[in-house]
Amino acid sequence: EVQLVVSGEGLVQPGGSLRLSCAASGFTFDTYALTWFRQAPGKGLEWVSTISDSGHYTFYADSVKGRFTISRDNSNNTLSLQMNGLRAEDTAIYYCARADNWNYLSDYWGLGTLVTVSS
Amino acid sequence: EIVLTQSPGTLSLSPGERATLSCRASQSVSMNFLAWYQHKSGQAPRLLIFRASSRATGIPDRFSGSGSGTDFTLTISRLEPEDFALYYCQQYGTSPQTFGQGTKVEI
Repeated sequence: EVQLVVSGEGLVQPGGSLRLSCAASGFTFDTYALTWFRQAPGKGLEWVSTISDSGHYTFYADSVKGRFTISRDNSNNTLSLQMNGLRAEDTAIYYCARADNWNYLSDYWGLGTLVTVSS
Repeated sequence: EIVLTQSPGTLSLSPGERATLSCRASQSVSMNFLAWYQHKSGQAPRLLIFRASSRATGIPDRFSGSGSGTDFTLTISRLEPEDFALYYCQQYGTSPQTFGQGTKVEI
């Protein structure tokens, strides 16, 4: 059974940093890309960032480029999202998802974790 | 970026009825890479349909997708109680991936 478990929920002040982790199991981790999505309160789903199976290729939404860094540890089946320079508009539930390494279709998602940016 | 517009915003139906959800793209979706997800509060989004009309693993055949280019439809042939939820379309053919604003299917 594919499982993706996100951790790192927290309340952060504007300008602060937070690191999210996603622990994966139930599939061959290093043969899939991985993606972070988010959903702000009362809003729809938004793509945040994707990393290829090897970790060599990374992609970011313009809204987070230069502030967020996606990475993965294929030896420990873990995905991470380092978030710096956080803004109020980054407040959202963050989800990690497994993605096809060719077309980046996300087929399994984990439960989300809440990130709140507020003073 | 490709803007996806879903209609209607809310669909009020009864169990056993047919639900038809629409998703229109601002430009043609590359390779018809259009997916539909079901999302219930407090749960992870669930992939229903990919490449416009292919059902994901384990999805009942009452769910079907159709369309191409800029106009896509998700049909639920006979609503079950567990089908009342939010539904999102997503295009993943052109970066950035984008989602529609969602259609709520309610009783």
